Amino acid sequence: SYELTQPPSVSVSPGQTARITCSGDALPTKYAYWYQQKSGQAPVLVIYDDSKRPSGIPERFSGSTSGTMATLTISGAQAEDEADYYCYSTDSSGHHNVFGTGTKVTVL
Amino acid sequence: QLLESGGGLVQPGGSLRLSCVASGFTFNNYDMNWVRQAPGKGLEWVSVIGGTGTTTYYADSVKGRFTISRDNSKSTLYLRMNILRAEDTAIYYCARNDGSKLFDYWGQGVLVTVSS
Repeated sequence: SYELTQPPSVSVSPGQTARITCSGDALPTKYAYWYQQKSGQAPVLVIYDDSKRPSGIPERFSGSTSGTMATLTISGAQAEDEADYYCYSTDSSGHHNVFGTGTKVTVL
Repeated sequence: QLLESGGGLVQPGGSLRLSCVASGFTFNNYDMNWVRQAPGKGLEWVSVIGGTGTTTYYADSVKGRFTISRDNSKSTLYLRMNILRAEDTAIYYCARNDGSKLFDYWGQGVLVTVSS
């Protein structure tokens, strides 16, 4: 089965830059999506189609891809960005949709 | 808004039907999904249905046991879950696809517990 691999945790100081990676074999040809989930809440879409930001999402959130890796970057992290982050994509067949393993971002 | 209901405690091997009522948008214009999250674990995509209800896809973990459906006249999404297992215990979310914006809106989730 298809897997998307993320680091379990990332720590960042307030105002600094956090980068969260997502590795998957089909990412060169399939879009990546990113979701933020704060404790006890439903997830929120923060990046779609690799690098597009939905309306209402702060500009400090950006996405990029290179080869088999997608990256979510939080530039100038704030305390409110502390959350779990999940990537999402599909395998080369387009029939197996998966979320990444998730990354806990701590701002301290 | 998306509002799920129908969760609860069910014994292994039992069945349950979840509902998700949509409001504030033209329901039949959007593909809809179910996504679940086991306690303390990550997100797992479960199933998706097209706007007309004729196209459906499932995760391998639920294929043959779960059925997604929709009633556009009632703006309601369903998930029929049969032969439930302990590993199906999770919060189940309904979520909308707006074109390429996958899962752009989510419900608050409903808890399903499979236990004897």
